[in-house]
Amino acid sequence: EAQLVQSGGGLAQPGGSLRLSCRASGFTFSNYWMSWVRQAPGKGLEWVAMITQDGRTAYYADSVKGRFTISTDNTENSLHLHLSSLRAEDTAIYYCVRDLTGDRAPPIWGQGTMVTVSS
Amino acid sequence: EIVMSQSPLSLSVTPGEPAAISCRSDQSLIHSNGHNYLNWFLQKPGQSPQLLIYLASNRAPGVPDRFSGSGSGTDFTLNISRVEAEDVGVYYCMQVLRTRTFGPGTKVDIK
Repeated sequence: EAQLVQSGGGLAQPGGSLRLSCRASGFTFSNYWMSWVRQAPGKGLEWVAMITQDGRTAYYADSVKGRFTISTDNTENSLHLHLSSLRAEDTAIYYCVRDLTGDRAPPIWGQGTMVTVSS
Repeated sequence: EIVMSQSPLSLSVTPGEPAAISCRSDQSLIHSNGHNYLNWFLQKPGQSPQLLIYLASNRAPGVPDRFSGSGSGTDFTLNISRVEAEDVGVYYCMQVLRTRTFGPGTKVDIK
């Protein structure tokens, strides 16, 4: 069964850093673009970042550009998101997602991990 | 960045009745391959989102045929032919042509 299992997250102070990870199993990880999507409490979905299947090209939402870094480790079938210069408005549940386009296979979502930015 | 809008933002529907949600983008979502790069997701309460429609009009595997998508360019519609109680949740359109952008969501509940 294809699945994504997330780890990391938690509480960080404003200006601080955190790292989120997402391990894939049940499918060929290196064949898919991967994304991070977040959802602030009681709010809608916001796409955050995505990376090509070879891990060489990344794209970011304007709201996180220059502060967040997405990366992959295809030897460990893992996706990462390094969050830095954190702000209160980054507080959200973060989901890793396989290929949001859906034309090759339905997207797979991780279970989500909470990031809280507060002093 | 492509900006997405949806209407209405909330919808209360009688079971068995049809429902429609509109989605607009501020730029055309037609790819050079002719497909419209617009998806529809449903997030049921307490769950991760699930894909309903991809490339504007293709139902994802396992999605009931009461759901259909239409539209092209900048205007798209999700139709539910006969709403069921299990269809409650928030519906999002999302452009997947250039990076990704979600619409604000449409909350659907049952009368």
